[in-house]
Order: sequence, then structure tokens, then C-alpha cells
Amino acid sequence: AQSVTQLDSQVPVFEEAPVELRCNYSSSVSVYLFWYVQYPNQGLQLLLKYLSGSTLVKGINGFEAEFNKSQTSFHLRKPSVHISDTAEYFCAVSRGSNYKLTFGKGTLLTVNP
Amino acid sequence: DTAVSQTPKYLVTQMGNDKSIKCEQNLGHDTMYWYKQDSKKFLKIMFSYNNKELIINETVPNRFSPKSPDKAHLNLHINSLELGDSAVYFCASSQQPGPYEQYFGPGTRLTVT
Repeated sequence: AQSVTQLDSQVPVFEEAPVELRCNYSSSVSVYLFWYVQYPNQGLQLLLKYLSGSTLVKGINGFEAEFNKSQTSFHLRKPSVHISDTAEYFCAVSRGSNYKLTFGKGTLLTVNP
Repeated sequence: DTAVSQTPKYLVTQMGNDKSIKCEQNLGHDTMYWYKQDSKKFLKIMFSYNNKELIINETVPNRFSPKSPDKAHLNLHINSLELGDSAVYFCASSQQPGPYEQYFGPGTRLTVT
């Protein structure tokens, strides 16, 4: 079985501060990893994904994530956040013959002025 | 030129009623999905179709029946609605089954009273 743990349900930060949103996954075999963002009252949008290769993945809007196999983590980072980054962020894993996506419970990032 | 569209956006109905939600994608994708997001923002896959064939069928009450008339459309019919069915339902599509980006619709907020 696979599961995804997002360690923080809420992360408040000030504008222009760095942020890290944590994600750990459990799986005994290789997985594909994703971060999606959900702005208020909207659907989800892909930020970035890790399939293979370089463990540092760059995504849209200045976000990046690092895949760490030994720690089974895929933390999301941004060096300087904007008010517009306020949203719910979901980590997700995909594996198996049908590549079903399993989502974490989400982290609400609130950027304050 | 919305990529993934859903109708209606809001649906308020009484317990015991039957309702449908429609989804259409104009991306030329082969695979479509239905997700349910509960009041705590937890997102869980319900069904997936690839080229009109059901490929993911999670543990969902059989009151929920998906139908894919063609690969651009995936509808969700719900019989005998219950209070616990209140949620936001998202449709999504991807190029094909696999670790591909999923494009989400704007969601349908279903409220059962």
C-alpha cells in the first residue's frame, strides 16, 4: 500500500520569506511524485513532478522540490513567496499498473503581507 | 476554450434525489477521472476511464455510476443522494494512463440537504 503524509496542515509565512512544505511517502517500490496547487475555489494545477533522473525538480512559479529516496521525502520549496502563492498544496504519489494518484491531505500555505 | 469543463458548478438537492454531473475535455486526451474532495479538502479518486473503458473503480457506493459516451466526455450519475455525498467533485483528464499531468476541471459543489 502507498500513502502520502504532509506533515503540516497549515504554514503561515510572511511575503518574501522562504518556505518549505514537507511531504513523505511510503512505498516499497519506485513511485512517481507530484505536487499540485489548488487556488481558492478552483481545480488543481500541476506544479512539478518527479519521474526519474535528477533529484532536484523545478516547477512553475519558482517552486522546486527535491526527491530523497533514503528519507522517502519530496519536500517543496520556494526561496521567496508572494501573496499570490496563498493556496492549498497537495503532494501525490502514483504507482502501479493503473498509475492511480494518491493525494496527501494538503497543506494550506498562507502568505501574509 | 476551457480545457476541462464541468456542469453544473453548483448543485443543491434533497436527500433521495438522483442527479448527474457532466464533464467535457477538449484536450484530445484519452483518459478521464472523477475525484471527490470532502469538506476537509481530502481528495480521493473515484473512477477513471481510458478510451471509454473503465480502468479504475475505487470502493465507491454503487449509487455512483460513471458513463463515458466518448473519450471527450465523462459523466457521473448519483442515485438516492445522501447527506454524506455533499462534497466537491472534480473531473480531470490526462494524455493517457500513466504518470502524466492531470488537468482538472473547476469542480462541482454538491450540497445535499
